[in-house]
Amino acid sequence: LAKTTQPISMDSYEGQEVNITCSHNNIATNDYITWYQQFPSQGPRFIIQGYKTKVTNEVASLFIPADRKSSTLSLPRVSLSDTAVYYCLVAPPAGYGGSQGNLIFGKGTKLSVKP
Amino acid sequence: DAGITQSPRYKITETGRQVTLMCHQTWSHSYMFWYRQDLGHGLRLIYYSAAADITDKGEVPDGYVVSRSKTENFPLTLESATRSQTSVYFCASSENRLQETQYFGPGTRLLVL
Repeated sequence: LAKTTQPISMDSYEGQEVNITCSHNNIATNDYITWYQQFPSQGPRFIIQGYKTKVTNEVASLFIPADRKSSTLSLPRVSLSDTAVYYCLVAPPAGYGGSQGNLIFGKGTKLSVKP
Repeated sequence: DAGITQSPRYKITETGRQVTLMCHQTWSHSYMFWYRQDLGHGLRLIYYSAAADITDKGEVPDGYVVSRSKTENFPLTLESATRSQTSVYFCASSENRLQETQYFGPGTRLLVL
C-alpha cells in the first residue's frame, strides 16, 4: 500500500508561495496523485491531480519528481482564504476486488495563512 | 438540486443501537465511497462501491455494512454502534474510476454515547 506522509501543519503569510510536500515511498507504477482542500465543517474538494513531472491549473501547481516517491503542492501567493487542511491521495486506476484500502489519504497538512 | 447529499447531518445514538447513514448522488457516478474522519487520522476509507451491487472493503471496514442496490444511493450501516465509531462520516462519488476526482458530501457528525 502506498502510505503517504505529510507535515502536520504549516504557517505562511499572505502573498507568499506555499509548498506542501507529500511522501509516498511505495507508490505503484499506475497510481495517480491527487490533492484535496478541506475547510472546517465541509467535505474535501479537489485541487489538482498528476502522474509525473508538473501539472498546473488556475489555483495550484503539482510537482512530481522522476522517482514519484514524493509530490509537492505549490500554492502561489496565498491569501487568508487558503487557510485549510490539505490532503494528498495516492490512488490506483480502476480496480475492483483487488484494491482493498488502496485509497490512502495522508493525515493532512493544516495550513494557516496570516495577514 | 444536483450533487451529493448526506442525511442526517447530525446524529446522536447509544452504544449497541443500529444506525444508518444515507448518501445520495444525482450525477449517476459509478463509484461511491464512505470515509470517516477523526482527529489525528485524517480521512480513512471504510467501504467503496464500483457500481450497483458491487462493494469492496477499504482501510477500516470492521463494524460497518454497506449496500448499493441503486446507483444513486450508498447507505452505511453501523449494526451495533460503539463509542469508537463516534466520528464525522463523509460520502463521496467519482465518475468512472478510482483515481478520478472525488466529490464529497457535507458530512454526518455521529456521536455514540
